[in-house]
Amino acid sequence: DAGVIQSPRHEVTEMGQEVTLRCKPISGHDYLFWYRQTMMRGLELLIYFNNNVPIDDSGMPEDRFSAKMPNASFSTLKIQPSEPRDSAVYFCASSSYRLAGGSYEQYFGPGTRLTVT
Amino acid sequence: SQQGEEDPQALSIQEGENATMNCSYKTSINNLQWYRQNSGRGLVHLILIRSNEREKHSGRLRVTLDTSKKSSSLLITASRAADTASYFCATRGPGGSEKLVFGKGMKLTVNP
Repeated sequence: DAGVIQSPRHEVTEMGQEVTLRCKPISGHDYLFWYRQTMMRGLELLIYFNNNVPIDDSGMPEDRFSAKMPNASFSTLKIQPSEPRDSAVYFCASSSYRLAGGSYEQYFGPGTRLTVT
Repeated sequence: SQQGEEDPQALSIQEGENATMNCSYKTSINNLQWYRQNSGRGLVHLILIRSNEREKHSGRLRVTLDTSKKSSSLLITASRAADTASYFCATRGPGGSEKLVFGKGMKLTVNP
């Protein structure tokens, strides 16, 4: 398996623009997580899905952030409008308790480095 | 908010030495996991220890858990330059949530 795939790897945009980050989880995984990593705040969970349904979005910072999972193999995280303080590395991760043999480990993608100027 | 806090925040050792990293957390847990992150990469799962376990081994890794003190330690024996990375502990709370709460991480540098 190719692992969790994220695109783009790098995104530079101007304040006010819409940004869409994409994620393809590992095939067969039923959980998908979006995280944001910054030096100041560390790794924060934004939202997670189970079987394409959002379960906990309490980490989504504001209404400017939205996430969707239209099917089991694709998810998006959208920021509209973007602001400089959104600059961070955004990670997608997936997991499956059943496929991991009873483990809860998460598999992370390589991340998208977002810079908002 | 962060649940786990790694200690020390940075550690520099020579190749061949052992590295010990500590993690403290605040609330009850279902399990505790350790992850590694190489520069510019995503996190990679290393080892998981359940709340009813006290010690676990995986290759050169040894993890302990003391639920009474709400703390865990990760020992890397015979370190290699390739072990240079940031290490994170993450806790999963009791109940059905799959949510992991990560600490801020600890930077390990292994000098050749």
